[in-house]
Amino acid sequence: KAGVTQTPRYLIKTRGQQVTLSCSPISGHRSVSWYQQTPGQGLQFLFEYFSETQRNKGNFPGRFSGRQFSNSRSEMNVSTLELGDSALYLCASSNGLRDYTDTQYFGPGTRLTVL
Amino acid sequence: AQSVTQLGSHVSVSEGALVLLRCNYSSSVPPYLFWYVQYPNQGLQLLLKYTTGATLVKGINGFEAEFKKSETSFHLTKPSAHMSDAAEYFCAVVPQGAQKLVFGQGTRLTINP
Repeated sequence: KAGVTQTPRYLIKTRGQQVTLSCSPISGHRSVSWYQQTPGQGLQFLFEYFSETQRNKGNFPGRFSGRQFSNSRSEMNVSTLELGDSALYLCASSNGLRDYTDTQYFGPGTRLTVL
Repeated sequence: AQSVTQLGSHVSVSEGALVLLRCNYSSSVPPYLFWYVQYPNQGLQLLLKYTTGATLVKGINGFEAEFKKSETSFHLTKPSAHMSDAAEYFCAVVPQGAQKLVFGQGTRLTINP
């Protein structure tokens, strides 16, 4: 089976712009979660989508949003970019057990740099 | 709120030596516990997890971890370090009733030849 893929791998934007990141989960997986990784804050949960519905949400401002399509592919959007949004954004897919005990398979991430 | 503490942001061991990476969680109710590894420029890979049952959990690449409720710990060990073990390691929990992974700050493991 192919793993989780994320596109693009690298992205450079300027403050105030918006950006869309894409994640294709492992075939058959219905849950996609997004995480932000920074040196200062570490790994933080953004949100999770399951069967096209946002099921869980972390503590991020409304500038961060996402969606999931019927084929389980997911996109994450960040509007009005700030310097602090520079980070590695990781996507993970799983079968989507509600207790979150199933294995999360991570993609390689998208490195976003905001100038 | 449920949290995870990894003692030591950087651990260095010699090749062939014991690897011990420490993780403590804060909760009166045992959470689900995980260890992930991240190699440079890659995503995270699950090493092992504890949900219920046997408290000694064996994972990939020769790693294992023991859940100790009395010490609220879930330390990761490997008897003999290999150069390929150099990476960053993250302990994570799924708090009871929550549906997300909460990660520790990570421990960077360096292997000396």
